[in-house]
Amino acid sequence: AQKITQTQPGMFVQEKEAVTLDCTYDTSDQSYGLFWYKQPSSGEMIFLIYQGSYDEQNATEGRYSLNFQKARKSANLVISASQLGDSAMYFCAMREGRLGSARQLTFGSGTQLTVLP
Amino acid sequence: DVKVTQSSRYLVKRTGEKVFLECVQDMDHENMFWYRQDPGLGLRLIYFSYDVKMKEKGDIPEGYSVSREKKERFSLILESASTNQTSMYLCASSHPSGQNNEQFFGPGTRLTVL
Repeated sequence: AQKITQTQPGMFVQEKEAVTLDCTYDTSDQSYGLFWYKQPSSGEMIFLIYQGSYDEQNATEGRYSLNFQKARKSANLVISASQLGDSAMYFCAMREGRLGSARQLTFGSGTQLTVLP
Repeated sequence: DVKVTQSSRYLVKRTGEKVFLECVQDMDHENMFWYRQDPGLGLRLIYFSYDVKMKEKGDIPEGYSVSREKKERFSLILESASTNQTSMYLCASSHPSGQNNEQFFGPGTRLTVL
C-alpha cells in the first residue's frame, strides 16, 4: 500500500483564491511527522510546513496551513490568497518514528499547481 | 543557511558509462540521501547514509552504489549507466536531532543516458 497518497496530479486556481492540496497517509506508528515541500520549475525542493503527530494545533506558516485530521489520516495543505509564484509541484512527505530516531522521508507523487491570472 | 550542492545541473552520458554524481553539504549533517524523481512517481529513495562509511539501501538501490568517505560528501555511482536511469537525481541532508528531521535538498542533477 502507498504510504503517502496525493490524488490530484494537477490543480488550477485563480489568483488570490485559496486552494487545498490533498494528502493522505498510512502508518501504524504513533509518532510521525508530515511535511510539505514545494518544487518550482527550477527544480529545487523548498520546505514549506511541518506537522507532528502529537501536535494538537494545525501548523501554519504565513499563507500556508496544514489541515491535519488524524483520525482520517489526512494532512492537506491549504494555500490562501494564491499568487502566480505559487505555481509549482507540491509534495507531501512523511517521517515515521519519533523525532531523532527516523531518518527517511517517504514522498507522495506530487500535485502540479497552476495559478491562473 | 544550510547549503547542499550537486556537481552538475545537467549531465548527458552514454549507455554503459560509469557515472558519478557528487553531493556536498556544509552544515555538518550526519544524514545524507539520494533520491530519483520521475513524473508521476514522486521522489524515491535510492540510498542513504547516516555516518561516514555507513550506507543503507533505500527503495530502489538496484543499479546504483554510493560512497561516503567524508562527512560532507555523498557520491552516487552508476556502474554501467542504462537508459532507464535517465531521471532527475536529488541529494538531501539532515541532522538526526535537527528541527523536525527536516531534509535540505540540493538543486538536482538532470541525467540523460543515451
